[in-house]
Amino acid sequence: AQSVTQPDIHITVSEGASLELRCNYSYGATPYLFWYVQSPGQGLQLLLKYFSGDTLVQGIKGFEAEFKRSQSSFNLRKPSVHWSDAAEYFCAVGAWAAGNKLTFGGGTRVLVKP
Amino acid sequence: DTAVSQTPKYLVTQMGNDKSIKCEQNLGHDTMYWYKQDSKKFLKIMFSYNNKELIINETVPNRFSPKSPDKAHLNLHINSLELGDSAVYFCASSPTGVRDGSYNEQFFGPGTRLTVL
Repeated sequence: AQSVTQPDIHITVSEGASLELRCNYSYGATPYLFWYVQSPGQGLQLLLKYFSGDTLVQGIKGFEAEFKRSQSSFNLRKPSVHWSDAAEYFCAVGAWAAGNKLTFGGGTRVLVKP
Repeated sequence: DTAVSQTPKYLVTQMGNDKSIKCEQNLGHDTMYWYKQDSKKFLKIMFSYNNKELIINETVPNRFSPKSPDKAHLNLHINSLELGDSAVYFCASSPTGVRDGSYNEQFFGPGTRLTVL
């Protein structure tokens, strides 16, 4: 069965600083990987996704993620954080063989200091 | 032109009541899903339907019953509500589903926040 681990529950970063959120997955086949963001009281917004091809994926809002198969990781990065990036971030793996199920990590809450 | 919509957005009710949450998608997808996000923000799939057929049924109490009148709708009915049912429920849809060989991206609705008092 697939699983996703986000080791950091909370991260605090200063506005303008860089941000990296860690994600490790476990899945026996080709992973389909996603990062979602959830602002307080809001729904899920897709930031970026990896299906195949280039392992460095660009997303919306200046985010990017790198797929490293050898490390089973899909870390999310942003070079310069804005106050509006304060939110909960979820990494997820999609598994066709499991009924097209999406399995989420536990989330990382990002706080942005002025 | 909303892709995946849910009603209501907020639902406050008493323990023991029966309630329904509705989901509709206008994307032409034939697979729909329900996810539950608990108070710790943990998101987990509950059900999925493909062309009105139940595909995924995770270990969810049978007080929860999904109903799919057609492939554009997947409603969630909950009987005898308990305090622990308080959560945000997300509906999602995707094209094709299990008959394809590759994962099919899911599109999420805005969520329904259920509060059981």
